[in-house]
Amino acid sequence: EAGVVQSPRYKIIEKKQPVAFWCNPISGHNTLYWYRQNLGQGPELLIRYENEEAVDDSQLPKDRFSAERLKGVDSTLKIQPAELGDSAVYLCASSPLGLAGGKEQFFGPGTRLTVL
Amino acid sequence: DAKTTQPPSMDCAEGRAANLPCNHSTISGNEYVYWYRQIHSQGPQYIIHGLKNNETNEMASLIITEDRKSSTLILPHATLRDTAVYYCIVRVGSTNAGKSTFGDGTTLTVKP
Repeated sequence: EAGVVQSPRYKIIEKKQPVAFWCNPISGHNTLYWYRQNLGQGPELLIRYENEEAVDDSQLPKDRFSAERLKGVDSTLKIQPAELGDSAVYLCASSPLGLAGGKEQFFGPGTRLTVL
Repeated sequence: DAKTTQPPSMDCAEGRAANLPCNHSTISGNEYVYWYRQIHSQGPQYIIHGLKNNETNEMASLIITEDRKSSTLILPHATLRDTAVYYCIVRVGSTNAGKSTFGDGTTLTVKP
């Protein structure tokens, strides 16, 4: 079974340019997460989707970041315009909805963004 | 979600048990303890989780204190490939809710 797929793996852009990241979760996983991970720190949640609905976007900097998951499957995270401080690894994760009990998250390999 | 505290780094000799502690003194009754690890340049990988009882799987064992304010992840026979950053997080487990705040984790270095 394929894991969480992210593309591109690496992206280098100049500041003020737009950038987009794509994520395809594990088949059947209704919940999708986007995280940002700065160097030497743990992942920080940006947004969580349940199917196509963004149910927690309180940590998403809405002035420049946007996300969508139109058909409740794959998702795109966009930054426009990018700033130097946006350099980080952007991780996508998915997990299944379902019955009570622990729900582990499955992470993709991430997209490493460098803003020059 | 409750906050966790972990030592920033630990060393372990290859073949020995690695015991990684985590404090979560403000954990709520419906919050699970999860452990993930992140090997360099990869996404975090789920290891194990538990609510009250100790748990064991093919990767590790999780020991949760009776008051649930702390836990220990045990890798019984550490190998060089277990070198990674280990994250302890607590979150409500019955849904996918919660921010799964990762913190900065413990960097475990397994030495030959």
